[in-house]
Amino acid sequence: AQKVTQTQTSISVMEKTTVTMDCVYETQDSSYFLFWYKQTASGEIVFLIRQDSYKKENATVGHYSLNFQKPKSSIGLIITATQIEDSAVYFCAMRETRNSNNRIFFGDGTQLVVKP
Amino acid sequence: AQTIHQWPVAEIKAVGSPLSLGCTIKGKSSPNLYWYWQATGGTLQQLFYSITVGQVESVVQLNLSASRPKDDQFILSTEKLLLSHSGFYLCAWSPQGDYAEQFFGPGTRLTVL
Repeated sequence: AQKVTQTQTSISVMEKTTVTMDCVYETQDSSYFLFWYKQTASGEIVFLIRQDSYKKENATVGHYSLNFQKPKSSIGLIITATQIEDSAVYFCAMRETRNSNNRIFFGDGTQLVVKP
Repeated sequence: AQTIHQWPVAEIKAVGSPLSLGCTIKGKSSPNLYWYWQATGGTLQQLFYSITVGQVESVVQLNLSASRPKDDQFILSTEKLLLSHSGFYLCAWSPQGDYAEQFFGPGTRLTVL
């Protein structure tokens, strides 16, 4: 069964520090895609970064990077030099390649609060 | 650039009344389209997806239906709202035939009283 788990409900950090958000997933598929999305206070959902399971190199986009540990079925999101506007709910998500309905499975989200 | 528009922005409806929510995407031909539902403080639950006009697949049924009357339009509806339908409804798109990430619209907040 497919499942995405984010155990951290809420994280609070000081501005300009680095934060890591955890995510573990379950899949029977040998090939899959992992995503991180951000939901702002207005409800807007923004795609941040993606990791393809067959790629060994961790993805990096701007001040977002991933810590992909395939043997542990783990995909952590690292935000460096955090800013106040990074405060949001962060969702980890997974999509399998054999998924016939293009379904993405989302975790429950982690609330990030960045303090000045 | 692609833009995705949802209407209305928010709705307050009575239990038992009908509902129609819309989504339009511009700047992308033949996209895959999706409807999601999010309870307050909850995760995103995919409801429907469509890869072409007139073809809609149900992922999770919540006494809702969806239709795709045009290439750029996706409609979510029900004839009778339940209290449990309250929440945030999001439309999303992805490029056709691609396992790429999905891009979300601004959403519609629905309150059923």
